[in-house]
Amino acid sequence: GAVVSQHPSWVICKSGTSVKIECRSLDFQATTMFWYRQFPKQSLMLMATSNEGSKATYEQGVEKDKFLINHASLTLSTLTVTSAHPEDSSFYICSAGTANNYGYTFGSGTRLTVV
Amino acid sequence: QKEVEQDPGPLSVPEGAIVSLNCTYSNSAFQYFMWYRQYSRKGPELLMYTYSSGNKEDGRFTAQVDKSSKYISLFIRDSQPSDSATYLCAMSEGGGNKLTFGTGTQLKVEL
Repeated sequence: GAVVSQHPSWVICKSGTSVKIECRSLDFQATTMFWYRQFPKQSLMLMATSNEGSKATYEQGVEKDKFLINHASLTLSTLTVTSAHPEDSSFYICSAGTANNYGYTFGSGTRLTVV
Repeated sequence: QKEVEQDPGPLSVPEGAIVSLNCTYSNSAFQYFMWYRQYSRKGPELLMYTYSSGNKEDGRFTAQVDKSSKYISLFIRDSQPSDSATYLCAMSEGGGNKLTFGTGTQLKVEL
């Protein structure tokens, strides 16, 4: 079945630094990748949608200059949290799919802690 | 009002019980309906997806969609402790479109 690999699984960084999270589709080509943020005991909040080779579409309220998304190939998308602050601490999850895929495959998530 | 409503629970049942999980929604454009299972500190895992109204069965899991009532359900038969997780419903308007999630229901199956 479809597999999505997300790295790192957890990261601790100092306030003011940047962190990059990678999301790879291992056995299929993902035309679309989604990035979510999840707070404890809450549902997934969509941050942005990225299509290979084009700019990401950000949801309302998500700062595109703070959360940089790159989808340079059909198997790799990255999320960079720039100038991270403690309030950016959260669980970030990516998902990947194709235009005909209705049940997207999710990565295992990245727990970011900013100290 | 949220687009998708789901009781957060927690829901606690004895092993072997039939579990019923539900979501309601307000967007009549939703055509595809999914159920995901999420274990703590892990990404969601797709359990079932259905298109439009109807039933779909896969092993111990049955998904039902009633578009006229804007109501979807997931039934788990012969529940096991390993079924203890958070179950999220999700919906989209079409293939390739973004998913809208419910808040998730936390389920605990006790021995």
